[in-house]
Amino acid sequence: KQEVTQIPAALSVPEGENLVLNCSFTDSAIYNLQWFRQDPGKGLTSLLLIQSSQREQTSGRLNASLDKSSGRSTLYIAASQPGDSATYLCAVRGQGAQKLVFGQGTRLTINP
Amino acid sequence: DGGITQSPKYLFRKEGQNVTLSCEQNLNHDAMYWYRQDPGQGLRLIYYSQIVNDFQKGDIAEGYSVSREKKESFPLTVTSAQKNPTAFYLCASSIFGYTQTDYGYTFGSGTRLTVV
Repeated sequence: KQEVTQIPAALSVPEGENLVLNCSFTDSAIYNLQWFRQDPGKGLTSLLLIQSSQREQTSGRLNASLDKSSGRSTLYIAASQPGDSATYLCAVRGQGAQKLVFGQGTRLTINP
Repeated sequence: DGGITQSPKYLFRKEGQNVTLSCEQNLNHDAMYWYRQDPGQGLRLIYYSQIVNDFQKGDIAEGYSVSREKKESFPLTVTSAQKNPTAFYLCASSIFGYTQTDYGYTFGSGTRLTVV
């Protein structure tokens, strides 16, 4: 059974810092991995989708990497801003599966 | 703009009542999903549907029911058999299967259900 873990559960950093959020998964037979952002009381917004054949994806100040063999993904946020404060969720879709399995998220706070 | 609409945003249920949460999408996605989110427990899959008139139980289906009569709609009913229904419910959709143009899951804005 696929399990997804995100460490740390919470992170607080000053504005302007570059930071890395971590996601690990137990079964490397994945189809894709998706990073989401969730603001309090809101739905999930997709940030980046990495197919299993890809090593990384970039969107603006965000860069996500994927290492299937080690079962790990990282989300890199450059030059953090207070508006980046949110919970970040990692989810994987297994090969032959339709559903996503989620980690419990990292709650990020960027202090002005 | 294409997207997923969930309604209502807030819902209150009395003990013993059934309530239905609405989810509509105009993304032309075949697959739709319902997740439940509780503090400290992440998202858990309730039901999903890969095609009209077909659906499968997820990890926590007990006390819930769904229907999929139209491609665009996937309503969730929380029945009186669900003993702890207070939670945040999220609907999502995606393509079905494997293609080069898979953009992953798209989520709605959620419905917060509270038992009163």
